[in-house]
Amino acid sequence: QKEVEQDPGPLSVPEGAIVSLNCTYSNSAFQYFMWYRQYSRKGPELLMYTYSSGNKEDGRFTAQVDKSSKYISLFIRDSQPSDSATYLCAMTRSPQGAQKLVFGQGTRLTINP
Amino acid sequence: DAGVIQSPRHEVTEMGQEVTLRCKPISGHNSLFWYRQTMMRGLELLIYFNNNVPIDDSGMPEDRFSAKMPNASFSTLKIQPSEPRDSAVYFCASSPRTGLETQYFGPGTRLLVL
Repeated sequence: QKEVEQDPGPLSVPEGAIVSLNCTYSNSAFQYFMWYRQYSRKGPELLMYTYSSGNKEDGRFTAQVDKSSKYISLFIRDSQPSDSATYLCAMTRSPQGAQKLVFGQGTRLTINP
Repeated sequence: DAGVIQSPRHEVTEMGQEVTLRCKPISGHNSLFWYRQTMMRGLELLIYFNNNVPIDDSGMPEDRFSAKMPNASFSTLKIQPSEPRDSAVYFCASSPRTGLETQYFGPGTRLLVL
């Protein structure tokens, strides 16, 4: 079993829809959670970063962490065609080992105009 | 800033050949990471350096893979001999300092081993 599970999709939704992307993990030692966005033929770029359970909002994006369920989510409101990309969740154990990120498989998202 | 620079962007080679991938991190960053991305396995950390010193190479698949960082502005990932299963996109990333910092990824090198 992989440490981090993410449905690879693909996921296709109409413009303006609310998108929900999710990851589950098995290692309760993970403390820091990130979402990266990767456009086609580009490197991943950090979208959001959270620590501990709860919600974090940044514009149209909301990251949610539920440590009790080992489940993290990324919500995109008022989705735009420019949001079409692969979204990867990533997590790590502690600041000392924070650089060793474990990534999910990535979910390929398409927003249709 | 130019961002993380990787070369070549594309590499096609035959099985058994040596492959060298190159990376120039963002100036002033002192952590450097090499990743491999495939459809089957996703994005995997191969090795990372802090201040030019290899910290964790547990992700390096086997002895055919080696990485060096001779100075703060240059790193190489070498595969010798290459095999078809090494075909993947290889990313280099850098971050400003140790600890939980954003990793900035390069554009990747697409490697195809025939």
